[in-house]
Amino acid sequence: GAVVSQHPSWVICKSGTSVKIECRSLDFQATTMFWYRQFPKQSLMLMATSNEGSKATYEQGVEKDKFLINHASLTLSTLTVTSAHPEDSSFYICSARGSPGYEQYFGPGTRLTVT
Amino acid sequence: DAKTTQPPSMDCAEGRAANLPCNHSTISGNEYVYWYRQIHSQGPQYIIHGLKNNETNEMASLIITEDRKSSTLILPHATLRDTAVYYCIVDSGGSNYKLTFGKGTLLTVNP
Repeated sequence: GAVVSQHPSWVICKSGTSVKIECRSLDFQATTMFWYRQFPKQSLMLMATSNEGSKATYEQGVEKDKFLINHASLTLSTLTVTSAHPEDSSFYICSARGSPGYEQYFGPGTRLTVT
Repeated sequence: DAKTTQPPSMDCAEGRAANLPCNHSTISGNEYVYWYRQIHSQGPQYIIHGLKNNETNEMASLIITEDRKSSTLILPHATLRDTAVYYCIVDSGGSNYKLTFGKGTLLTVNP
């Protein structure tokens, strides 16, 4: 199956700093990428959808100025958590899809801890 | 998108078949049934999907009832590595297609 990578796999940062997470589709071109967040013992919650070259579409309740998403190419999307706070500590997972109707492939996730 | 209902947890003995049910009574005619699983602290893994016919691949089989209101994911010979949360999701797969995860079923395979 298609491979999606994320970097870093885990990160610890101080409150008030910004953190960038990269998501790459390694062997296919991702026309659409998705960012999810997962808190302990909870299910995945969709944060935003991005299409290459377009602005991301954020789900209700997700602050677009805090979670900056850039889908600059067909193989790379980045999520920047700005002015991170301890409540932003979570497991962030990206996924990618090649074409409408194809299944989504997920990255391994990035664990963010804000101290 | 149609909602799904899954049991919160199930147990299965290693080597036996694991049958995971999913109810999706409000599914629309153009919506697919997707199954994903998430092993602890990893990203979800695609398993299988189908529209109305039964499907089989190297991982599992998907049985969809004739009225499409429910389905069953079958892992024919469960192993300890199949212990995971299994998510059943219905979606149209169109241009607005985005997977929405419910609570899923925690399958525990016991030795």
